[in-house]
Amino acid sequence: GAVVSQHPSWVICKSGTSVKIECRSLDFQATTMFWYRQFPKQSLMLMATSNEGSKATYEQGVEKDKFLINHASLTLSTLTVTSAHPEDSSFYICSARVFPEAFFGQGTRLTVV
Amino acid sequence: GIQVEQSPPDLILQEGANSTLRCNFSDSVNNLQWFHQNPWGQLINLFYIPSGTKQNGRLSATTVATERYSLLYISSSQTTVSGVYFCAVAKDTNAGKSTFGDGTTLTVKP
Repeated sequence: GAVVSQHPSWVICKSGTSVKIECRSLDFQATTMFWYRQFPKQSLMLMATSNEGSKATYEQGVEKDKFLINHASLTLSTLTVTSAHPEDSSFYICSARVFPEAFFGQGTRLTVV
Repeated sequence: GIQVEQSPPDLILQEGANSTLRCNFSDSVNNLQWFHQNPWGQLINLFYIPSGTKQNGRLSATTVATERYSLLYISSSQTTVSGVYFCAVAKDTNAGKSTFGDGTTLTVKP
């Protein structure tokens, strides 16, 4: 199957700082990638769709100024959590589709202290 | 949007037992996948199964698209299969985004 790689796997940051998470498709090109968020013992909730060369599409209720998405190449999408606060602590997972299957990165556990 | 319901939410088994996990969805879909989320959070692809039946080792899955449900069978469970199992559906594969159920947490005891 296709390989999607996320970095870092975990990060701890201070409240008020920004954190960037990278999502790479290693063996395929992805014009579209997806960012999900998962709280403990809950399901994955789609945050936004990342489109190469254009603006991301955010799901209802997701603050686009808080979660900045950049998809500058066919193999890399980044999610920046700006001015992070403790309530942003969560597990963030990216995904890309190699038709017709979706493949997921290993996730990034963000803890804001 | 599509609603996805998984049952049971929790399942505890003894090693060697069989289990059936269910996924119901509220609308027609052309894409359905089953995943296993390991303790480190990684989602492992198990099956792409919008319809029909597939088998892979001790795992098999069946989707009855006309009745809007899918089943995941795990036979002769080992402790290594413990984790959370998710069903994810998409109405339009070209759109790409998937809707996940709440998952079934499977615990296999030795």
